[in-house]
Amino acid sequence: AQKITQTQPGMFVQEKEAVTLDCTYDTSDPSYGLFWYKQPSSGEMIFLIYQGSYDQQNATEGRYSLNFQKARKSANLVISASQLGDSAMYFCAMSDPRDAGNNRKLIWGLGTSLAVNP
Amino acid sequence: ETGVTQTPRHLVMGMTNKKSLKCEQHLGHNAMYWYKQSAKKPLELMFVYSLEERVENNSVPSRFSPECPNSSHLFLHLHTLQPEDSALYLCASSQALDRPRLEAEKLFFGSGTQLSVL
Repeated sequence: AQKITQTQPGMFVQEKEAVTLDCTYDTSDPSYGLFWYKQPSSGEMIFLIYQGSYDQQNATEGRYSLNFQKARKSANLVISASQLGDSAMYFCAMSDPRDAGNNRKLIWGLGTSLAVNP
Repeated sequence: ETGVTQTPRHLVMGMTNKKSLKCEQHLGHNAMYWYKQSAKKPLELMFVYSLEERVENNSVPSRFSPECPNSSHLFLHLHTLQPEDSALYLCASSQALDRPRLEAEKLFFGSGTQLSVL
């Protein structure tokens, strides 16, 4: 069955340092998409970055990059130069390969809580 | 004006009450979603509407009743809830579901309604 695993319930990082949040996934389908979302204490989930399974290069969006290792089925999020505002929950999600057309949905991990220390 | 607005932000209700959650999106999207977020559980998809038609009902109890009068508005009507229904309820929107993967699956969330059932 399709599954997302985030093994780090909580992480700490010093301001201005880089941090890696782990995400592994399980699927037998060759076509899928991987997402990272940020949820600050305000509650709103904010899209950060996307990686398609056929994308040749690792995705990057500003200070966010995705370390995509297809053979290992991992899609780790790297945040460079951490800021205090990066303190939040971070969720990894995968598009359900069984879905297409009008039945799209995402499979979610349990999240990692990141605290950035000044 | 924020992209997806949810009201109320907090709601406390008794098990015999009837209440409604409201969601409005200003992004011109054609798909809207209700998610339930509980502690220690992955995000749970409840309902999906595409072009005002319900396309997904993820085995949600009938005490939750969604309504989508147009592509910008989504309601979740609640009645005779149970204490285990206490959670953060998130509304999201996306482009039409028949668009390419990233466009259809990139979700824009509201800040949620924190619901407590006494």
